Amino acid sequence: DTAVSQTPKYLVTQMGNDKSIKCEQNLGHDTMYWYKQDSKKFLKIMFSYNNKELIINETVPNRFSPKSPDKAHLNLHINSLELGDSAVYFCASSQEDKRYGYTFGSGTRLTVV
Amino acid sequence: AQSVTQLGSHVSVSEGALVLLRCNYSSSVPPYLFWYVQYPNQGLQLLLKYTSAATLVKGINGFEAEFKKSETSFHLTKPSAHMSDAAEYFCAVSDRGTNAGKSTFGDGTTLTVKP
Repeated sequence: DTAVSQTPKYLVTQMGNDKSIKCEQNLGHDTMYWYKQDSKKFLKIMFSYNNKELIINETVPNRFSPKSPDKAHLNLHINSLELGDSAVYFCASSQEDKRYGYTFGSGTRLTVV
Repeated sequence: AQSVTQLGSHVSVSEGALVLLRCNYSSSVPPYLFWYVQYPNQGLQLLLKYTSAATLVKGINGFEAEFKKSETSFHLTKPSAHMSDAAEYFCAVSDRGTNAGKSTFGDGTTLTVKP
């Protein structure tokens, strides 16, 4: 069983389109995250949810909207996609006690053309 | 605010040589510290963590790291590199406690292992 699963793994789309990435974790963790990894491999946090409540909302264009229907799921919807949105997006989860670290999904490679 | 600095964006070693990846942190309170590894086209995987027990921490695949408070460092080492160790390595810091926000990641170090 995959602990943190993301779909799709690859996403190629045209500028201006709207797309969603889904994430699910079966670890019973309370906190979930979205990270963006650019072409230089830099990791930047975008959002964090704890028990369906948004707790971190970094400086991200409001075209990006997270949604957590329950604590096992955190989806990311992106409106009006731009070339600069091309990146790998990682979902991660953790227990409330941060000493245990994160469990990451395998990533979604988004390419905007 | 917490932060980490990874010294050297690229490290190249020969197979069988010592691996040393450097990480320095900044935190206003005693932190949790982590090393993650990312193999090509995969997500990040936890290698090891420091949570205030032993200062020398052992992880998977023969890696270990030592927490040095006086130097604010948490360098990652492995006595003998293997070809399969070639990957991207990230150091991360997190505040203690529950619901304490996010972990902050370093910029990563690409490890190349030459035959």
